[in-house]
Amino acid sequence: GDSVTQMEGPVTLSEEAFLTINCTYTATGYPSLFWYVQYPGEGLQLLLKATKADDKGSNKGFEATYRKETTSFHLEKGSVQVSDSAVYFCALRKETSGSRLTFGEGTQLTVNP
Amino acid sequence: EPEVTQTPSHQVTQMGQEVILRCVPISNHLYFYWYRQILGQKVEFLVSFYNNEISEKSEIFDDQFSVERPDGSNFTLKIRSTKLEDSAMYFCASSPMAQGNYGYTFGSGTRLTVV
Repeated sequence: GDSVTQMEGPVTLSEEAFLTINCTYTATGYPSLFWYVQYPGEGLQLLLKATKADDKGSNKGFEATYRKETTSFHLEKGSVQVSDSAVYFCALRKETSGSRLTFGEGTQLTVNP
Repeated sequence: EPEVTQTPSHQVTQMGQEVILRCVPISNHLYFYWYRQILGQKVEFLVSFYNNEISEKSEIFDDQFSVERPDGSNFTLKIRSTKLEDSAMYFCASSPMAQGNYGYTFGSGTRLTVV
């Protein structure tokens, strides 16, 4: 079945460091790919998305490119801030499965001043 | 910004008891969902609901679970006879459409602890 695998966490960085959180997926067909973020005490928020190969999603300085050849959707940010501390979830959705989202394990990011 | 509201934020219940988790989706959304996350594990799909009926459910969503939209605003998840392994964070979500580029809006979750 469909699955999403994220890099193991937690990840701890200093402010202004470069961030990469790896995400790979297994799915037939052409899924849409998403990154969700969960700040402490809040719900899951859509951070960015890409719906076809080579699309780049971007938001709040974060980027991820849909790479079909490597089945990856790695999240990157050039300079993280303390306020980026949160849990990040990679997810996919296939049109053939309707609206169901399949999530990765989540990666806890802590950014220290 | 419109939000999905879940209550309570934390519920403790005894094994075998019935529990109802409540959600108020965004008012003009048509599709409603429940997901859960057992501590340390992935967020898992439970069920989707549209037009007053279940449109899709996962293998987790067995006979002990049920969902209902009892009025125009609430969307509830009932667990009939809770087990220890039902302890998890339960997330409600809603969306205006099932497919396309519309994302979900998630609530902040209800942490259910079964003792």
